[in-house]
Amino acid sequence: GQNIDQPTEMTATEGAIVQINCTYQTSGFNGLFWYQQHAGEAPTFLSYNVLDGLEEKGRFSSFLSRSKGYSYLLLKELQMKDSASYLCAIQGYGGATNKLIFGTGTLLAVQP
Amino acid sequence: DAGITQSPRHKVTETGTPVTLRCHQTENHRYMYWYRQDPGHGLRLIHYSYGVKDTDKGEVSDGYSVSRSKTEDFLLTLESATSSQTSVYFCAISEIGAGFTDTQYFGPGTRLTVL
Repeated sequence: GQNIDQPTEMTATEGAIVQINCTYQTSGFNGLFWYQQHAGEAPTFLSYNVLDGLEEKGRFSSFLSRSKGYSYLLLKELQMKDSASYLCAIQGYGGATNKLIFGTGTLLAVQP
Repeated sequence: DAGITQSPRHKVTETGTPVTLRCHQTENHRYMYWYRQDPGHGLRLIHYSYGVKDTDKGEVSDGYSVSRSKTEDFLLTLESATSSQTSVYFCAISEIGAGFTDTQYFGPGTRLTVL
């Protein structure tokens, strides 16, 4: 099976940098995804990693190490609007499609 | 943003009644998914579709059925709603599917309350 762990809550200060970690146990997967979800809204796609290393997209970067079973999402120059839940998800193999298995999410509160 | 709508957006119903939720897409994507989201559990896959009339079960399919008669519509039915099915339901779509990494895009969600 696939077990995905994320911290439940984090707090950070506006303008700072925060790293949200995601650890997993799985025998193999296509890619690892990060989604952002504001309260009462749908998840929105942020980034995905297929290969080990860092993927950068503006203020957001995501890192993957398959050998360590570890990923993180890095948010720079935090803004108040970054207050949201951040969902880590693994896309597995098998069946007629590549299903996503989600962690329970990390609720980030950005303070002034 | 991907063209995905869900209806209704909110629904309150009573235990034992049938309920159908609709997901409609304008992207002509082949793959469609239904998830439920509950506190402490995250998003969990209920059913998915890999083409018209082609569907399969997800992680939490008991008590749910689906149908897809057109590419653009994916229906989720609760034959006899129970209080444990009170949740927020999200539809998602993707383009590539099996064999390749692809991105799922989510609809706005339906908040269902079963009394």
